[in-house]
Amino acid sequence: DAGVIQSPRHEVTEMGQEVTLRCKPISGHDYLFWYRQTMMRGLELLIYFNNNVPIDDSGMPEDRFSAKMPNASFSTLKIQPSEPRDSAVYFCASMVAFRWDTQYFGPGTRLTVL
Amino acid sequence: KNQVEQSPQSLIILEGKNCTLQCNYTVSPFSNLRWYKQDTGRGPVSLTIMTFSENTKSNGRYTATLDADTKQSSLHITASQLSDSASYICVVSANYGGSQGNLIFGKGTKLSVKP
Repeated sequence: DAGVIQSPRHEVTEMGQEVTLRCKPISGHDYLFWYRQTMMRGLELLIYFNNNVPIDDSGMPEDRFSAKMPNASFSTLKIQPSEPRDSAVYFCASMVAFRWDTQYFGPGTRLTVL
Repeated sequence: KNQVEQSPQSLIILEGKNCTLQCNYTVSPFSNLRWYKQDTGRGPVSLTIMTFSENTKSNGRYTATLDADTKQSSLHITASQLSDSASYICVVSANYGGSQGNLIFGKGTKLSVKP
């Protein structure tokens, strides 16, 4: 398996633009997580899905953020409109239910909002 | 308030030396504690996972300890190698009704191993 795949790896955009980050989890994993990492705040959980259903989105900072998982092999995190304070590295991770030892992170998307 | 504090913030050691990283937490109810290694520009990789009943777990040259009474954990690295240079993140899970999303992250310790 190729592991968790994220795209793009780097994104530079201007304030006000829409940004879409993509994630393909490991096949057979039924949990998918979106995290954000900054120097100031470290890693933060934004939202997670179980069997494609959003379970907890309490970490999503604002209504500008939305996430979807239309099927077991694809998820998106969208920011609209983007702001400079959204600049961070966004990680996607997946795992098998209740098996934290199976949680693997993707390589991350480095987002810069100018 | 649920919190995870790690120390030191950064650490420089010579190759071949041992080191210990600390993690103190105030998380309730406690479910599990994990240590991750994050290389620069990469996603975190899980090193160890410990539940309430476990007080030691090893993964090669990495040994994690957990004292659930004092709510402290440590990660000991033996015979450090240049490839150990990374950030080490402590993560504590608070288990609310089986929810898997109640994760409290430490800010990490940045370890640099010098030749």
